[in-house]
Amino acid sequence: EADIYQTPRYLVIGTGKKITLECSQTMGHDKMYWYQQDPGMELHLIHYSYGVNSTEKGDLSSESTVSRIRTEHFPLTLESARPSHTSQYLCASSEVGSMWSPLHFGNGTRLTVT
Amino acid sequence: AQKITQTQPGMFVQEKEAVTLDCTYDTSDPSYGLFWYKQPSSGEMIFLIYQGSYDQQNATEGRYSLNFQKARKSANLVISASQLGDSAMYFCAMRAGYGGSQGNLIFGKGTKLSVKP
Repeated sequence: EADIYQTPRYLVIGTGKKITLECSQTMGHDKMYWYQQDPGMELHLIHYSYGVNSTEKGDLSSESTVSRIRTEHFPLTLESARPSHTSQYLCASSEVGSMWSPLHFGNGTRLTVT
Repeated sequence: AQKITQTQPGMFVQEKEAVTLDCTYDTSDPSYGLFWYKQPSSGEMIFLIYQGSYDQQNATEGRYSLNFQKARKSANLVISASQLGDSAMYFCAMRAGYGGSQGNLIFGKGTKLSVKP
């Protein structure tokens, strides 16, 4: 049973389009994350948030932006998609203040920009 | 700098046998946590097991166990009695840093495990 939801699951879109990847969680977690992952490769953190109105850039530079207006919602936006943005995007959440707290991941969005 | 190293890009194991996936880590923080995740071909990330730096005993969770050797900075995942459904990518990850519980997870490059019938 998924407690963190990502939509769409797959997205094929043309260059220059604006896209928003949705991520919602029902666990009441304060901390949320976006990771980017190319097929068969490691995960790179691109954005994270400690809570409402908090957003931080991750280790990997990204042209995407995020917002956190509600605790449960952490959408990612690309203003103008390019083929280099083709990748899988994974959203995750975790509790704050606990070293052992694992990240709970959504099923991911596989983005293809043509 | 903090780093996770997984040196095995791919591994094969016979069904019903045990397999060890290697993970070494580097951090100067005394407080840290180590995690293993499984990623099937469908793409989702599934949390398997956790080991804290101060835990005295190796973590176990069903068929998964973590061989934690602190002096060697290694946290190898052992899967016993492999099943065909264990075929997947496996990622080792670490959380450390100032106020360690606030730290973000960093991931290794992963190991692709293939279980042969």
